Amino acid sequence: DAKTTQPPSMDCAEGRAANLPCNHSTISGNEYVYWYRQIHSQGPQYIIHGLKNNETNEMASLIITEDRKSSTLILPHATLRDTAVYYCIVTYTGNQFYFGTGTSLTVIP
Amino acid sequence: DGGITQSPKYLFRKEGQNVTLSCEQNLNHDAMYWYRQDPGQGLRLIYYSQIVNDFQKGDIAEGYSVSREKKESFPLTVTSAQKNPTAFYLCASSPARRAETQYFGPGTRLLVL
Repeated sequence: DAKTTQPPSMDCAEGRAANLPCNHSTISGNEYVYWYRQIHSQGPQYIIHGLKNNETNEMASLIITEDRKSSTLILPHATLRDTAVYYCIVTYTGNQFYFGTGTSLTVIP
Repeated sequence: DGGITQSPKYLFRKEGQNVTLSCEQNLNHDAMYWYRQDPGQGLRLIYYSQIVNDFQKGDIAEGYSVSREKKESFPLTVTSAQKNPTAFYLCASSPARRAETQYFGPGTRLLVL
């Protein structure tokens, strides 16, 4: 499975959009991009995933570039409860996930 | 409520003892997984099982053992051979189909005294 690169930390003002980038330049054509988040000392929570097209659900939007080498997770109106570590994962099977160190997002009041 | 339960939330063990961590799911998922997380690090896969009575080693299986006698249960034993067992252990499950998401339990924090 392809590996990913994420910034170690980001800040976002409450109520503003949080845009979390992820590079996955070695992604292959049949690999999906997943996003999870982990609030301190809890199990990771699934957010969204996609293959080629942009995706949106009640939690977030996922924007995948046309060449699929990078993606951005967008939390449209960040709240304090969105403070967490966000993991970008690329996988073919969907059942062998490689969790890197992720991006620690802090939402500031 | 459907979900994944892990017990206990905190577990203490004396050095040299084996300890078993429980993971139960009532989501009717075929696949189950065990991960380990150390402070400030991401999750690392220990073992996974795609179906009852079958399981595969993950990236850091040494010092651990599992069983999958029932679909809903996937206990993890941390043996005395695991040199640094103090960590946060997370169990997950998913339908055994490609591109399905994994759902995680609340975790068990193991502390070796």
